[in-house]
Amino acid sequence: GAGVSQSPSNKVTEKGKDVELRCDPISGHTALYWYRQSLGQGLEFLIYFQGNSAPDKSGLPSDRFSAERTGGSVSTLTIQRTQQEDSAVYLCASSIEQGTKNIQYFGAGTRLSVL
Amino acid sequence: DQQVKQNSPSLSVQEGRISILNCDYTNSMFDYFLWYKKYPAEGPTFLISISSIKDKNEDGRFTVFLNKSAKHLSLHIVPSQPGDSAVYFCAASQPRDDKIIFGKGTRLHILP
Repeated sequence: GAGVSQSPSNKVTEKGKDVELRCDPISGHTALYWYRQSLGQGLEFLIYFQGNSAPDKSGLPSDRFSAERTGGSVSTLTIQRTQQEDSAVYLCASSIEQGTKNIQYFGAGTRLSVL
Repeated sequence: DQQVKQNSPSLSVQEGRISILNCDYTNSMFDYFLWYKKYPAEGPTFLISISSIKDKNEDGRFTVFLNKSAKHLSLHIVPSQPGDSAVYFCAASQPRDDKIIFGKGTRLHILP
């Protein structure tokens, strides 16, 4: 597809389980970003990738969160031992290269519900 | 500690009138500001941006005004149309930083 694709679109899990969220960026985009939007909140930056490396992981809320990107394309965000406060919409965005003056194109997000 | 604040959670405007969405920021290092628009069940889409060296940027019906001394920016939409009903996020970044800091958003309702 032409846009950023995220899967699954919805995920319901039990507290304590691990979840993996996937992001397929726009082809050719070297920068990839993960954000989280909790209820009533703005978009919270989590991590970004330039190619396969993550220069800035400062937004990851805890060590239960990790992300990787392989082949400069697909990225996965993994949340281990999920907690109820992890419930949010997780958004992925990509841009042609790093730098905030490059437009970020967002996927529709994965809505995670932790019961 | 919110660096980008959108103090109005929602706003209702009559179709055809001007919509003004406001945003305040606290970090004087911010040099680039953006507005994103979001429909339900979709990701945000870029709308318009402005560099801190300017005080106005216009694109069709959308104009962003920046008042650096007040650390305030606003998005004007005129005339407002039904398709403008969405959540609008104000965002900002500082030099040599690849992070965009988003506000909580303002939900705009365009009334028929």
